[in-house]
Amino acid sequence: RKEVEQDPGPFNVPEGATVAFNCTYSNSASQSFFWYRQDCRKEPKLLMSVYSSGNEDGRFTAQLNRASQYISLLIRDSKLSDSATYLCVVNTGFQKLVFGTGTRLLVSP
Amino acid sequence: GAGVSQTPSNKVTEKGKYVELRCDPISGHTALYWYRQSLGQGPEFLIYFQGTGAADDSGLPNDRFFAVRPEGSVSTLKIQRTERGDSAVYLCASSLAPNTGELFFGEGSRLTVL
Repeated sequence: RKEVEQDPGPFNVPEGATVAFNCTYSNSASQSFFWYRQDCRKEPKLLMSVYSSGNEDGRFTAQLNRASQYISLLIRDSKLSDSATYLCVVNTGFQKLVFGTGTRLLVSP
Repeated sequence: GAGVSQTPSNKVTEKGKYVELRCDPISGHTALYWYRQSLGQGPEFLIYFQGTGAADDSGLPNDRFFAVRPEGSVSTLKIQRTERGDSAVYLCASSLAPNTGELFFGEGSRLTVL
């Protein structure tokens, strides 16, 4: 079983839609969690950290469910510029950051 | 520039050759990571340095891969006897301190083994 699993998509949504991605992780001792964004042929960049209490940054909301070992990312009011690959990242301990395969999002006019 | 710098940006080599990929992290960043990314996949962890020492090299696929960071700044990833399966984008990232989760990536070195 992979340490971090994501649905690769693509998710095709119209502008203005709400879309959610989930990610599961296998190591129950994992300590911290993040979402990164990667544009086509570019390097990944941190989108947001995921806290146990959940956190929101504008149109983006991240949630963590430790009991079920999954994290989620919700994007409201999708914009064309949100089209990218969203990578789930888990710190499995000892500063080893493991990336999922990414979920591709395509927002259309 | 102030970001992570990787050279070369593109490298084409023949099977069996030796390759070195260089990473110059952001000044002051003590943690340095190497990842490898194939098409349609997420970055795959290779090795993590804290200062000069390799704190975790569990992701190196075999003994053909080796990385150094002799002065705690620039790092070099070395691949011996390259194989076609080594073709990928090799990403380097640095962070101010371990466990922050915020990695700053370079643009990567695209390696093609013919």
